[in-house]
Parts: sequence; structure tokens; C-alpha cells
Amino acid sequence: AQSVTQPDIHITVSEGASLELRCNYSYGATPYLFWYVQSPGQGLQLLLKYFSGDTLVQGIKGFEAEFKRSQSSFNLRKPSVHWSDAAEYFCAVVESGGADGLTFGKGTHLIIQP
Amino acid sequence: DAGVIQSPRHEVTEMGQEVTLRCKPISGHNSLFWYRQTMMRGLELLIYFNNNVPIDDSGMPEDRFSAKMPNASFSTLKIQPSEPRDSAVYFCASTQSDTQYFGPGTRLTVL
Repeated sequence: AQSVTQPDIHITVSEGASLELRCNYSYGATPYLFWYVQSPGQGLQLLLKYFSGDTLVQGIKGFEAEFKRSQSSFNLRKPSVHWSDAAEYFCAVVESGGADGLTFGKGTHLIIQP
Repeated sequence: DAGVIQSPRHEVTEMGQEVTLRCKPISGHNSLFWYRQTMMRGLELLIYFNNNVPIDDSGMPEDRFSAKMPNASFSTLKIQPSEPRDSAVYFCASTQSDTQYFGPGTRLTVL
């Protein structure tokens, strides 16, 4: 069965500093990969996705992610965080073709220090 | 585009009562998913539909849970009877181009 691991439950970053959130997946083939963000009391908003092609993908709000097949990773990055980035971030995978439900990681809670 | 619409946004009920959660997917999306989010288990897929047909309900926890999609613009998730352990946030999502778009969720509290 496919699984997603987000090893960091909480991360604290100073405003203006760079950010990297880790995501590793376990799956036999190359899945479709996603990052979602959830603000308190809100639904999940899609940040970016990777299906194929260029392994560095750009998303909304200045986020990017890099797919590394050899490491089964899909880490999320942002060069300079803003206080408004404080939220819960979820990595998710689905079998190529996207017809099934998503398998989510447990999430990483991002705290921004002033 | 209004996005995925869920109602109610909050539901508080007593154990044993029937609860019905509603979802209106984005127009033109042909797949619909129901997820549950809890602190202990995170986000879990309950059931999904493709062209209004249930495809995989293996995530539905018990027979107390049922879901229907009578047409392309409406789905319900029903819990009968409800129990305190059903307290969670329930999300609906619909799909376009292999990407799922989520509604704001329904926060269910069963007392």
C-alpha cells in the first residue's frame, strides 16, 4: 500500500527565512504528487502538483517543490516566508491517472516567528 | 466559480441521532470524494464516486455510514446512528484533470 511520510510534525521559521518541508512516499510506480495547505478552520488549498516532466514545479504563493525519484521525495520550498504562511501543510499522492483517492501525510504545522 | 460547496459548515448533535452532510461539486467535475480528518488518524478517504457511481467505499468505517450521489451536482454522507467517535471534519472534493479540489469541510461534533 502506498504511504506518505512527513517527518516533521512542527517547524518554526523566522519571517523572511527560507523554508523546506519534507515529504517521502512509498509507492511502486511514479505517483502523482501534491502539496496542499490548510489554514485554521479552512479547507485544503492546492499549492502545486507534479505529474511528469520537469522535476521542479512552481506553485502558488511563491512555493516550489522538487521531485526526486531516487529519494522518493517531493520536498516543498519557499525562499522567504511571510507570517501569512503559518498553516498546516499536507503532502499527498495518488496512483498515476489520478482516479483514486489521495493518500495524505500526517501534515507539518508551520509556525512563523516575527 | 463557487468551488466545492459543503453544508452545514458546523453540526452539533447528540449520540444516536442521524446526521446528513451535503456536498455540491464543481460543475463539470466527474469524480467526487469524501474524506474525514481527525487528530488521531489525519485525513482518510471514506468513499469516492465516478460519474455518480460509487467506486470504492472500503474506507467507510462502519455500516452506520452511507453515501449517495443521486446526480452530478449533489452528494450526501449520512451517519445513522451517530457516535461521539464520529466527531471530525468531513471534507468533500471533486476532480478536474486528475486534481482534487476541496470544499471548506463540515465540522461534526457528536455529544
